[in-house]
Amino acid sequence: QLQMQESGPGLVKPSETLSLTCTVSGGSIANRNYFWAWIRQPPGKGLEWIGGIYYFGRTYYSPSLKSRLDISLDTSKNQFSLNLEFVTAADTAVYYCVNGDWDPVPHYFDSWGQGTLVTVSS
Amino acid sequence: QSALTQPASMSGSPGQSITISCTGTRDNIGSYNFVSWYQQHPGKVPKVIIYEVNKRPSGVSDRFSGSSFGDTASLTISGLQAEDEADYYCSSYAGSSTVVFGGGTKVTVL
Repeated sequence: QLQMQESGPGLVKPSETLSLTCTVSGGSIANRNYFWAWIRQPPGKGLEWIGGIYYFGRTYYSPSLKSRLDISLDTSKNQFSLNLEFVTAADTAVYYCVNGDWDPVPHYFDSWGQGTLVTVSS
Repeated sequence: QSALTQPASMSGSPGQSITISCTGTRDNIGSYNFVSWYQQHPGKVPKVIIYEVNKRPSGVSDRFSGSSFGDTASLTISGLQAEDEADYYCSSYAGSSTVVFGGGTKVTVL
């Protein structure tokens, strides 16, 4: 069973970059079966898919965030990361790192981190 | 504005059945049999309870069932129990390795 843990600053200033890392244990991030993704949830609101990355490094992003977003893998550390540029208060949310199979396409996520609250404020 | 539309809230008495709708478009639900549903209790991490429209992960009660027709998917909770009080989110594959969510439905057990 995979375990996933988000880490990163809990407070980011407006216009700066939000950077989070997800550390994976109980399995390899290079496993051919896996698709890794980020999902966020603003306080009191619903879930929003941010983007994801295949085990071989190809990324896919939400159209609404694509211009500000970068997701990457670090197989040496068994981690994947999220960088979201030029943040505003609207980016304040609990950020979850998640995992799912991708056969034939990524469509559901059965392993979730505990989530980390990131607040954008000066 | 979420890509998928769900009722904001629904309620039912213990033992009753409720059905939550999730309406999308031909770009998501209408084109793919890759609808999933998540249950989230207050302060907890979401948990997948239905995937690929009507499949249940191991350990999920058979009181939860899913279906889909056209651009609309549905989640039925049969024999409603107090522990079913939670938020429920639908999700669909939307092409090009992307996923969209509904706005969520708060289920109250009366």
